[in-house]
Amino acid sequence: DAGITQSPRHKVTETGTPVTLRCHQTENHRYMYWYRQDPGHGLRLIHYSYGVKDTDKGEVSDGYSVSRSKTEDFLLTLESATSSQTSVYFCAISEFGGGAVQEQFFGPGTRLTVL
Amino acid sequence: GQQVMQIPQYQHVQEGEDFTTYCNSSTTLSNIQWYKQRPGGHPVFLIQLVKSGEVKKQKRLTFQFGEAKKNSSLHITATQTTDVGTYFCAENMTTDSWGKLQFGAGTQVVVTP
Repeated sequence: DAGITQSPRHKVTETGTPVTLRCHQTENHRYMYWYRQDPGHGLRLIHYSYGVKDTDKGEVSDGYSVSRSKTEDFLLTLESATSSQTSVYFCAISEFGGGAVQEQFFGPGTRLTVL
Repeated sequence: GQQVMQIPQYQHVQEGEDFTTYCNSSTTLSNIQWYKQRPGGHPVFLIQLVKSGEVKKQKRLTFQFGEAKKNSSLHITATQTTDVGTYFCAENMTTDSWGKLQFGAGTQVVVTP
């Protein structure tokens, strides 16, 4: 498996509290992504990064913010958690090669429950 | 935006049987990737298809990209219990080059011994 870790792996929090999830990679890959996975929806892109301090929104970005101050770290913040943000969150990385961005490698996931 | 539809959503297979899962798009795809996620695990890349009509094989798995590049299929022969999991197709969004993928909802495969 690619060197990707996510922390925490599990978290239970209350509605209205801020939450930060961390993704750390040791592969020096340029691209990093945050997804959420919910039954029946597959994986939906929240935010992504194409370099240090370069980030952009995905399809379900409302209520989430991200930061990337170093190549290896990509943080996802829920400013004020809501029950609808209960989900499994996956971080992924990829690199550019052969004229195109290559496959994505996923971290182990973080299971977040918002009560 | 672009969307990929996967069918079926669930596939219950007897061990030893074959099955096929399909991925369809209303628009032409630049390329398509397939991933497998075991229960409780994370998605793992299987393969990428780029060319029209392309066929690739990985042991008992056969991946195909449609001639019009609007659909793809994954065929598994002689299903084994190790094939249990959810299979996702993902299209590479053509509007930018940041490697953004649009995932289908997946086909959940259950194998009965």
